[in-house]
Amino acid sequence: NAGVTQTPKFRILKIGQSMTLQCTQDMNHNYMYWYRQDPGMGLKLIYYSVGAGITDKGEVPNGYNVSRSTTEDFPLRLELAAPSQTSVYFCASSYSGATSGGRIDTQYFGPGTRLTVL
Amino acid sequence: ILNVEQSPQSLHVQEGDSTNFTCSFPSSNFYALHWYRWETAKSPEALFVMTLNGDEKKKGRISATLNTKEGYSYLYIKGSQPEDSATYLCASPAGGANNLFFGTGTRLTVIP
Repeated sequence: NAGVTQTPKFRILKIGQSMTLQCTQDMNHNYMYWYRQDPGMGLKLIYYSVGAGITDKGEVPNGYNVSRSTTEDFPLRLELAAPSQTSVYFCASSYSGATSGGRIDTQYFGPGTRLTVL
Repeated sequence: ILNVEQSPQSLHVQEGDSTNFTCSFPSSNFYALHWYRWETAKSPEALFVMTLNGDEKKKGRISATLNTKEGYSYLYIKGSQPEDSATYLCASPAGGANNLFFGTGTRLTVIP
C-alpha cells in the first residue's frame, strides 16, 4: 500500500494563478482532510470529507475549494493564489465509524506539498 | 475553536536524559486526545489515542498519561536518543465536530 500520496511536492505560483493539489489514498478510508502548516502555528484544518460526495469546511477554508467524487481522491483547489497561501499542505485520511466520526481514529498523513506564492 | 496548547515550545536534552512535556485542552465535552510524532521532512505519525481519564499508554520508551478532569496530558520519553528528535503534536476534537484541533507542538532535540 502506498498510503496517502500527494502531488506535487513543491510548487511556486504567481499571485492570481490557480492550481490543484492532488491527494490520493489507497486504504479505503472514508474520511479525508486537508491541513495547512504555517511556522509556529501548528496544523490548521482547511476542509474535510466524511465520504464521497460530502465535504465540509474546517477552520481556515477561505480561498480554497475541494471535491470528493471518489473514495480515493480529495483534490484541493486554489483559485486565485495569494501570498497568504504560502504554506505546507498536508492531506490525511482515516477510517471512522458513524458514531465516533473523525474524533478517535488515527489519521494517516501524506508527505506534504510545499507551496510558495510570489 | 478548541484551544489545545503545548509546552514547552522547544526542548534540548542530552542523550540518555528523560524528559516530558505537556498538552492542555478544555476539559469540558472531552472526547479524545491524540499524540503524533513529526520528524523533520516527514509527515506526522500517530503515537497514541487516549480516551479515558487516568489512561496511560506506552510504546517503547515513550509513554503518555491523561487527566480529562483537569484537561492535560503528559508525554514522557525515557532515556532520550538522537532518533527521538522530532516535533511532538497533540490534538483533540472539538465537541461534536468530526475533526481534530492540533497544538503547535513541542520540538525536541536530543544532543548526542
